[in-house]
Amino acid sequence: GAGVSQSPRYKVAKRGQDVALRCDPISGHVSLFWYQQALGQGPEFLTYFQNEAQLDKSGLPSDRFFAERPEGSVSTLKIQRTQQEDSAVYLCASSFQSNQPQHFGDGTRLSIL
Amino acid sequence: ELKVEQNPLFLSMQEGKNYTIYCNYSTTSDRLYWYRQDPGKSLESLFVLLSNGAVKQEGRLMASLDTKARLSTLHITAAVHDLSATYFCAVDNSGTYKYIFGTGTRLKVLA
Repeated sequence: GAGVSQSPRYKVAKRGQDVALRCDPISGHVSLFWYQQALGQGPEFLTYFQNEAQLDKSGLPSDRFFAERPEGSVSTLKIQRTQQEDSAVYLCASSFQSNQPQHFGDGTRLSIL
Repeated sequence: ELKVEQNPLFLSMQEGKNYTIYCNYSTTSDRLYWYRQDPGKSLESLFVLLSNGAVKQEGRLMASLDTKARLSTLHITAAVHDLSATYFCAVDNSGTYKYIFGTGTRLKVLA
């Protein structure tokens, strides 16, 4: 596609529910990144994939957060047993290679009630 | 730990005026990125600065990078209302893939 596509755009869940956020990177982009952006803050790195390999997950805030990219294209960020502090915008970015500029999707705004 | 600081955090300015946003970072890096974010929207890439002394201009915006001072500036010339947005700088930590973002500068241009 023309850009990074994320779905859903908005997600509301009750505390304790599991959620799954999807990212379709730009076609041909090897590298894929997830960031979390709290209200009024800059994005913070969560995890990074090169093709299907998750090379860095140091930014994931807890073991409730899990990301996968099984075929090296679409990625899913899953959050289990959601908590209110998980409320944020989750941004996905992709780049042709890891040292190339990252292109960001529109994000998923997650609200935990 | 790499830290990226922007100032000011908030900026309200009149149309037609000039102003500069500053981005300081704490460790060695020679890659710096400027993004614009409108409310509810994603990050739009403005400039990619890849070396010391790099200067790029697009319309009323000009960005520069001084890697020795660990400083980048985003200069706004003759501001117009359409420039109202939040501007982020991000540093590529010593050539790694991780972007470390500043807290952003929320710019409001008053007509």
